[in-house]
Amino acid sequence: KNEVEQSPQNLTAQEGEFITINCSYSVGISALHWLQQHPGGGIVSLFMLSSGKKKHGRLIATINIQEKHSSLHITASHPRDSAVYICAVRSTGGSEKLVFGKGTKLTVNP
Amino acid sequence: DARVTQTPRHKVTEMGQEVTMRCQPILGHNTVFWYRQTMMQGLELLAYFRNRAPLDDSGMPKDRFSAEMPDATLATLKIQPSEPRDSAVYFCASGFGLGARVNYGYTFGSGTRLTVV
Repeated sequence: KNEVEQSPQNLTAQEGEFITINCSYSVGISALHWLQQHPGGGIVSLFMLSSGKKKHGRLIATINIQEKHSSLHITASHPRDSAVYICAVRSTGGSEKLVFGKGTKLTVNP
Repeated sequence: DARVTQTPRHKVTEMGQEVTMRCQPILGHNTVFWYRQTMMQGLELLAYFRNRAPLDDSGMPKDRFSAEMPDATLATLKIQPSEPRDSAVYFCASGFGLGARVNYGYTFGSGTRLTVV
């Protein structure tokens, strides 16, 4: 079993829909990252969080440390949100090493 | 708009040749990472530096890979000799941390797409 599990693997939505991507992890963590990778290949760091909730524009990330679970929400989805969304965790301890989920491929149709 | 700059963007080389990839982190960032992405393995950490000192290179095949930071504005990843299985996209990322950890997230470069034939 992978240390970081994402669901769903693939997600297709219509423009305007509310999107939720889930991430579960099995290790103790000091931080969780949500990354976005566009078809062109570039990676953008969306959020780094260790508790609670963060919001940036139409994106919201939440984390529940007790349940070892995080969600990424996209409100009013748009075709330009189509990308692979990757969850990554940094474990407790001194290392900066991230363990990555396999990603969720999101397609938003107009 | 601050960005992490990687060169080259694409590299095609023959097996056995030396490959050098370069990264210019964001000015003021004190932590620099090298990641490799393949279809099979996804993203993997190869090595990272804090204040130019290597802290973890356990993800790197030591016999052929080397990573250095000759100064605060340049990180290099070298493969010698290259092999077809090294074909991947190599990303550099940088971040800033107060104390022992990066606190404010990372910025990724655009990556170097390496093809070894």
